[in-house]
Amino acid sequence: GAGVSQTPSNKVTEKGKYVELRCDPISGHTALYWYRQSLGQGPEFLIYFQGTGAADDSGLPNDRFFAVRPEGSVSTLKIQRTERGDSAVYLCASSLMGAAGDEQFFGPGTRLTVL
Amino acid sequence: DQQVKQNSPSLSVQEGRISILNCDYTNSMFDYFLWYKKYPAEGPTFLISISSIKDKNEDGRFTVFLNKSAKHLSLHIVPSQPGDSAVYFCAAGGSARQLTFGSGTQLTVLP
Repeated sequence: GAGVSQTPSNKVTEKGKYVELRCDPISGHTALYWYRQSLGQGPEFLIYFQGTGAADDSGLPNDRFFAVRPEGSVSTLKIQRTERGDSAVYLCASSLMGAAGDEQFFGPGTRLTVL
Repeated sequence: DQQVKQNSPSLSVQEGRISILNCDYTNSMFDYFLWYKKYPAEGPTFLISISSIKDKNEDGRFTVFLNKSAKHLSLHIVPSQPGDSAVYFCAAGGSARQLTFGSGTQLTVLP
């Protein structure tokens, strides 16, 4: 009866490197969301998937950020040429149908540190 | 521009008393609101929600009040317990499926 899981839990990388963050949503949930939480702030929306397709990627800060969900389950957030400002906790959430008002279930997050 | 604001970064309450956490929003297109609770090193967990067509929703010790004209909502916890100590986030949603979060309030319930 697993909840949303995210790997790795912590990732330390150097400026300019490429990183991938993985999210396993709750089984059967069709909607998947990525958020980013900086210190002292609430989560900020990045991208939302309905099935395999990105339904809304308006929160991605620039073209260094990309996310995929090729089979409608696991998702990977990819960050190219990382910058120190990318350091944050990256949260993934899933919901059953992605309907407005659906509860979003969050994973524990991946803490990314860019040195 | 912050569309959802939690102006109190922290709140301390004595065990057994009422905790009141406040949230203001600016976007009148939001049509549902949620409260999430977050412990350190864990993701936010859903606590309670309210639709914009209601002004109150209650679940056990937790009650959320919505004042649409003031664009204000509040979460009441009574009686407060030490296990309620956490960061509480107010969030809002509309036709877009994303949630917009406030910056959180750290609640400390003192035994």
